[in-house]
Amino acid sequence: GAVVSQHPSRVICKSGTSVKIECRSLDFQATTMFWYRQFPKQSLMLMATSNEGSKATYEQGVEKDKFLINHASLTLSTLTVTSAHPEDSSFYICSALWMGETQYFGPGTRLLVL
Amino acid sequence: SQQGEEDPQALSIQEGENATMNCSYKTSINNLQWYRQNSGRGLVHLILIRSNEREKHSGRLRVTLDTSKKSSSLLITASRAADTASYFCAPDSGGSNYKLTFGKGTLLTVNP
Repeated sequence: GAVVSQHPSRVICKSGTSVKIECRSLDFQATTMFWYRQFPKQSLMLMATSNEGSKATYEQGVEKDKFLINHASLTLSTLTVTSAHPEDSSFYICSALWMGETQYFGPGTRLLVL
Repeated sequence: SQQGEEDPQALSIQEGENATMNCSYKTSINNLQWYRQNSGRGLVHLILIRSNEREKHSGRLRVTLDTSKKSSSLLITASRAADTASYFCAPDSGGSNYKLTFGKGTLLTVNP
């Protein structure tokens, strides 16, 4: 199946700093990628849809100025958590849409903000 | 997009037994997908079944779809300890946004 990678796998940062997470589709091109967040013992919550060459579409309640998404190429989308705070600590997972039908997920990035 | 509801929320079985989990949804779909998530990891795509299909197999997995009842089931045969994970269904209603909405999943524990 299609492979999606994420980097870094875990990151610890100080409150107030910004953190960038990369999502790459390794063996296919993805015009559409998705970013999710998952808190402990909860399900995945969709944060935004990332479209190559255009602005991301954010879900209700997700601050676009805080979670900056850039989909600059057909294989790379980045999520930047700006001015991170402890409440942003979570598990961030991306997915890439394959053949307009199936989302393939990355392994996730665990963010801890101190 | 619509959210699937998995049932049961938790299932504990012995290695070698079969595990069945169910998914219900509310409106018509183009397809329905099942995913697995091991603790602390991303989701792994297991199988996609289209609305015109009734049953699909992949290795030890068997998925059924009943569009009249708006339900699907995932059967894992001869379970192994490595099958311990959360399982999610994702009904896809189509449309141009391709979004999926995930429910709480079924937490399957396979005891050795």
